[in-house]
Amino acid sequence: GEDVEQSLFLSVREGDSSVINCTYTDSSSTYLYWYKQEPGAGLQLLTYIFSNMDMKQDQRLTVLLNKKDKHLSLRIADTQTGDSAIYFCAVLPGAGSYQLTFGKGTKLSVIP
Amino acid sequence: NAGVMQNPRHLVRRRGQEARLRCSPMKGHSHVYWYRQLPEEGLKFMVYLQKENIIDESGMPKERFSAEFPKEGPSILRIQQVVRGDSAAYFCASSDRVLSYEQYFGPGTRLTVT
Repeated sequence: GEDVEQSLFLSVREGDSSVINCTYTDSSSTYLYWYKQEPGAGLQLLTYIFSNMDMKQDQRLTVLLNKKDKHLSLRIADTQTGDSAIYFCAVLPGAGSYQLTFGKGTKLSVIP
Repeated sequence: NAGVMQNPRHLVRRRGQEARLRCSPMKGHSHVYWYRQLPEEGLKFMVYLQKENIIDESGMPKERFSAEFPKEGPSILRIQQVVRGDSAAYFCASSDRVLSYEQYFGPGTRLTVT
């Protein structure tokens, strides 16, 4: 089945850019997502990208997709302390699927 | 415009007791998905339901776990005779149509089995 991998921790200084990376195994994946989880809270859908796109930008967020390498990244510009959270990469494998496959999450710590 | 609601937010059960977790989908959504998050793990799919139907329960343990989504009222995830290994966060998500690529998650229920 699909496997999604992320690094577990990332630490950045306030005002810098953060880049969170994710790799997946299923080349037929259709939609790829980034969710944010703050302590004790649920998952907030941040953004997603369809597999026929290379890039998607939404205010401070930029998603890059490299289908050849099965690599997805999330760049947060001008990182703020409020961005401290766990960021989950998730993949919808294949047309007709509804089972999201999640990575273990990357804990982003923003240093003031 | 209320989002996905789950209750209780925290639930403590002793080994052998039953746990009932409730999920009310977003208004207008009739598709519900349950996911489980074990400590320091990603979310894992458990079950997909539509009103009065279980569509896919392939991710749910065969014993002690059951789910329903009645015509009226919230979806219920029921765990009988809980064990310590059931301690996890249980998240519900909803969507407005079949094969929707947007699933919206609730705040989760954190189950602790003592």
